[in-house]
Amino acid sequence: NAGVTQTPKFQVLKTGQSMTLQCAQDMNHNSMYWYRQDPGMGLRLIYYSASEGTTDKGEVPNGYNVSRLNKREFSLRLESAAPSQTSVYFCASLRDMRQSGANVLTFGAGSRLTVL
Amino acid sequence: AQKVTQAQTEISVVEKEDVTLDCVYETRDTTYYLFWYKQPPSGELVFLIRRNSFDEQNEISGRYSWNFQKSTSSFNFTITASQVVDSAVYFCALQAYNNNDMRFGAGTRLTVKP
Repeated sequence: NAGVTQTPKFQVLKTGQSMTLQCAQDMNHNSMYWYRQDPGMGLRLIYYSASEGTTDKGEVPNGYNVSRLNKREFSLRLESAAPSQTSVYFCASLRDMRQSGANVLTFGAGSRLTVL
Repeated sequence: AQKVTQAQTEISVVEKEDVTLDCVYETRDTTYYLFWYKQPPSGELVFLIRRNSFDEQNEISGRYSWNFQKSTSSFNFTITASQVVDSAVYFCALQAYNNNDMRFGAGTRLTVKP
């Protein structure tokens, strides 16, 4: 099925461990995003990539790194996980802004990360 | 910088009541897009509506309606005759026309009781 696929769906880490959240889309979208969702904070943008080879910081980039491996894939890495990074992470993609009606985000199902 | 404020953290209504969810935004851009997304208890995020900044016409879709007022930087969402299935978290979002950065508000949790 076409859409955005995130892995893993659930992960428990210990403080200081590292991990990578994977995201892939098969809709040929140019832009991809990583958000985190915390109670009372809504969806906060971590990083986004407007096109293959480019990445930009969002509201809360500290503690994270991203890689736009190719047009399909956009990964989020936690180098040294902290309890404050316990959250639900959503990946999303979007077609080129200049195409009419295209700028609607398609979200993945989310990844729940717990850092102990 | 762009900012979206949803001042209502939680709203609880009884079925068949009308309810309005508020959204206020800040942007320096003259052209931008506003959105509403729904997150039901199952957790996925569902697109509801997109509005261009140069189109202030209100929109109605079934029981849903949206009121966009540029003068007050608001994009409010009204559900008429609410139903239990409307229970969800609703997010308002803002994106500049020439920028892929999309920002969300904190969300409003709507509970519709039978």
